[in-house]
Amino acid sequence: AQKITQTQPGMFVQEKEAVTLDCTYDTSDPSYGLFWYKQPSSGEMIFLIYQGSYDQQNATEGRYSLNFQKARKSANLVISASQLGDSAMYFCAMREGSTDKLIFGTGTRLQVFP
Amino acid sequence: GAVVSQHPSRVICKSGTSVKIECRSLDFQATTMFWYRQFPKKSLMLMATSNEGSKATYEQGVEKDKFLINHASLTLSTLTVTSAHPEDSSFYICSAPLGENTEAFFGQGTRLTVV
Repeated sequence: AQKITQTQPGMFVQEKEAVTLDCTYDTSDPSYGLFWYKQPSSGEMIFLIYQGSYDQQNATEGRYSLNFQKARKSANLVISASQLGDSAMYFCAMREGSTDKLIFGTGTRLQVFP
Repeated sequence: GAVVSQHPSRVICKSGTSVKIECRSLDFQATTMFWYRQFPKKSLMLMATSNEGSKATYEQGVEKDKFLINHASLTLSTLTVTSAHPEDSSFYICSAPLGENTEAFFGQGTRLTVV
């Protein structure tokens, strides 16, 4: 069973607008972590934001915020005030329990236009 | 912040030869590192977990004799693609976790082309 689902293969957003990238997950482990990474065309994986399953508040990092809906098992990434440099692939990932390995979703390609 | 360095960034090799890719944690010790493979426009697929001082743990479907992993020190893991074939051409990327409840740091990735 797929554990991380990103249903949007591609998204478009106008510069300075906000955009939400969807991510749902599936796990029976009460302890888990959720991550978002950005991958530009160069291939590097850039860490954006982390949300722990026991965190009471939604994570925020600058223009990035994570809309964590635990009951719905969703962890959507919100990018505010989009910039042209935000154009890239975005991956949602999950780490279960005590393991350190990350399982990735299929990714969403975000394109920001002027 | 913590840095993971991966080398080489690009390599082209002939069919039948072997290629070694290095992954180093530069300012922290990593008892565990992970190797991923990424096909064009696809997601990262975990290949194996590299364990310092012990054998690597491979994911289902990954040939351990094809993809040799050595984690000889707390700062270095290597992935050797043996007897490479064109179908092994891919983007390979390593990662190392800094600790519990923190992000994993990724190397820059290696684009392997087998001709």
